[in-house]
Amino acid sequence: GAVVSQHPSRVICKSGTSVKIECRSLDFQATTMFWYRQFPKQSLMLMATSNEGSKATYEQGVEKDKFLINHASLTLSTLTVTSAHPEDSSFYICSAPDSPNSYEQYFGPGTRLTVT
Amino acid sequence: ELKVEQNPLFLSMQEGKNYTIYCNYSTTSDRLYWYRQDPGKSLESLFVLLSNGAVKQEGRLMASLDTKARLSTLHITAAVHDLSATYFCAVDTDYKLSFGAGTTVTVRA
Repeated sequence: GAVVSQHPSRVICKSGTSVKIECRSLDFQATTMFWYRQFPKQSLMLMATSNEGSKATYEQGVEKDKFLINHASLTLSTLTVTSAHPEDSSFYICSAPDSPNSYEQYFGPGTRLTVT
Repeated sequence: ELKVEQNPLFLSMQEGKNYTIYCNYSTTSDRLYWYRQDPGKSLESLFVLLSNGAVKQEGRLMASLDTKARLSTLHITAAVHDLSATYFCAVDTDYKLSFGAGTTVTVRA
C-alpha cells in the first residue's frame, strides 16, 4: 500500500512559539491531503483539507490563521501551529488518497505535539 | 451535520467468544471504513466498504454495510488478546472522513 510519513513524530514547544509539521506521500502524488486532530481518549476530528496549488479549506471552528496549511508540492503538505498554547497539545494525523479517484486513504504515523 | 455513532464505547471481551461493534450514521453514504488504533499509534486500515451489502473478512474480523439502514457492523470471532485496541468506523462524504467515537476493546483470558 501507499506510504505517508510525518515529521516530526514528537515535538515539545513552549507556549507562544510556532511549530511546523510535515506530511509527505512517499510513493505517490497527493493533490489532496487531510489534517486531523485527536485529543487524548477522543476520536479524530477533521481540521482541514489541503489542496496542492490552492488554499486549504478549513472545517467549521478551526482557525485558519492559527493552523496554517501549505501544500506546495504533490508530495508535501505542512501544518504550522502558530502561537501554540497548551490547549493545542494533541496528536495530529494527516492522510491522503493515493489517487484522485481512490476511496482508500492512507494515514501518516501522526505527530504528538506538547505545548508547555 | 453528519453524526456517526458507535456502540459500545467500551467492550471487555473474553477470549474465544464472539462480539459485534455497531456503527450508525445519519446521512446517505455508500462508503464506510473501519480502522484500528493501538495506543500512541496512528490508524491502521481494516476494511473499506463501498456499497450496500458489502461484506469483508480478514482473519477473525468481518465487516458489513447496510446503507439503507445506515448501519455497519464489525464482528469479532473467537476473540484473542491481540485484538485489544480501539476500533473506529468512519463515513466518507466528499472524501472527508467523519469518525465515530471509537470502541475500546480489551480482551481478557
